[in-house]
Amino acid sequence: DSGVTQTPKHLITATGQRVTLRCSPRSGDLSVYWYQQSLDQGLQFLIHYYNGEERAKGNILERFSAQQFPDLHSELNLSSLELGDSALYFCASSVGVRVETQYFGPGTRLLVL
Amino acid sequence: ELKVEQNPLFLSMQEGKNYTIYCNYSTTSDRLYWYRQDPGKSLESLFVLLSNGAVKQEGRLMASLDTKARLSTLHITAAVHDLSATYFCAVLFMNSDDKIIFGKGTRLHILP
Repeated sequence: DSGVTQTPKHLITATGQRVTLRCSPRSGDLSVYWYQQSLDQGLQFLIHYYNGEERAKGNILERFSAQQFPDLHSELNLSSLELGDSALYFCASSVGVRVETQYFGPGTRLLVL
Repeated sequence: ELKVEQNPLFLSMQEGKNYTIYCNYSTTSDRLYWYRQDPGKSLESLFVLLSNGAVKQEGRLMASLDTKARLSTLHITAAVHDLSATYFCAVLFMNSDDKIIFGKGTRLHILP
């Protein structure tokens, strides 16, 4: 158990809908990262937050947004969902602002029908 | 373009043998990561390599980084079945707004 929690574990929704994925980092970790894993795109870095501030953006679509709250949990919002958004979404946390050892959550499996 | 290439993508090997996975990247970076993923599971951090010449070892796995060659290797010594998994390298491109790019992964299958 990495100490990182993600909810929900599974999510089935329809095209055009909006969902929110939640991540709670390990106690004491200030950084949260979001990743998407799909068969065709592989693993992709989406976004990095440190202590509430956005630090780096990867291949995150404009339909997606994220934030990190004062209690350090983070949410990834996916809107106007398309079939191609079906994927595993992982969050990870680490202590500092620079990417060091990351601890990954169990992931949220999203299926868009 | 920021690129990370791993090879091989698939590797089937016998227990007891040694092998190496390679990770090449396209432009300057001095921070490289190796992860393991078991089927249906999340990722586990294996190594963080922070500088040229860095070498880290954990059990039968050893990772190294040559920033001049833009190459990292993950060496497996005397493989055992428990090491069967998919291994990913990832590179932090600090000169490109801290983007993290993953390789496609190497699916390692160790035959008993």
